[in-house]
Amino acid sequence: NAGVTQTPKFRILKIGQSMTLQCTQDMNHNYMYWYRQDPGMGLKLIYYSVGAGITDKGEVPNGYNVSRSTTEDFPLRLELAAPSQTSVYFCASSPQGYGELFFGEGSRLTVL
Amino acid sequence: QQPVQSPQAVILREGEDAVINCSSSKALYSVHWYRQKHGEAPVFLMILLKGGEQKGHDKISASFNEKKQQSSLYLTASQLSYSGTYFCGTERGGADGLTFGKGTHLIIQP
Repeated sequence: NAGVTQTPKFRILKIGQSMTLQCTQDMNHNYMYWYRQDPGMGLKLIYYSVGAGITDKGEVPNGYNVSRSTTEDFPLRLELAAPSQTSVYFCASSPQGYGELFFGEGSRLTVL
Repeated sequence: QQPVQSPQAVILREGEDAVINCSSSKALYSVHWYRQKHGEAPVFLMILLKGGEQKGHDKISASFNEKKQQSSLYLTASQLSYSGTYFCGTERGGADGLTFGKGTHLIIQP
């Protein structure tokens, strides 16, 4: 059972480039989330989704976009990468909106 | 609003006890606790729902004081494997995910 799978695990971008972080879960969870983690700051919610076709902004959505066309996939798009987007990104899913979060292994992004 | 965790860091000898606190200025529906090892994803420990319950498994337990909007995580007879960063995540009742504290770094020395 794979759980939550994120790709890529590592990526270096140049300022102004764009990319998509992929997230797939095979647990049939309706709720999915994208967090970013900066040293000493905990995890900050970027976007979340309560089901296919429904997404909403979290605490730090600027510079990012998401889509949710299927239950399994929740990609995070970075447009015009900036050094402030250097971070570790975690995708998570949950069977309920108030239950345990299942995290992917994370994607470490560096913008130079 | 981000919950406040204390202490920021703690160093223990193996076998000693630790308490990590998490407090919020907002009314909470639940409090989650996660542990993260360096370079890894956070791993779920437990959820406490409003109602002031207390939970535990093995030598790790937690309580949730709904009136004070505070939760505490108790680690007794700590083991080397307990080392890591502990995060509390708070939930206010919607489906909009958890708000995490900044974390407490726990170092267990032999």
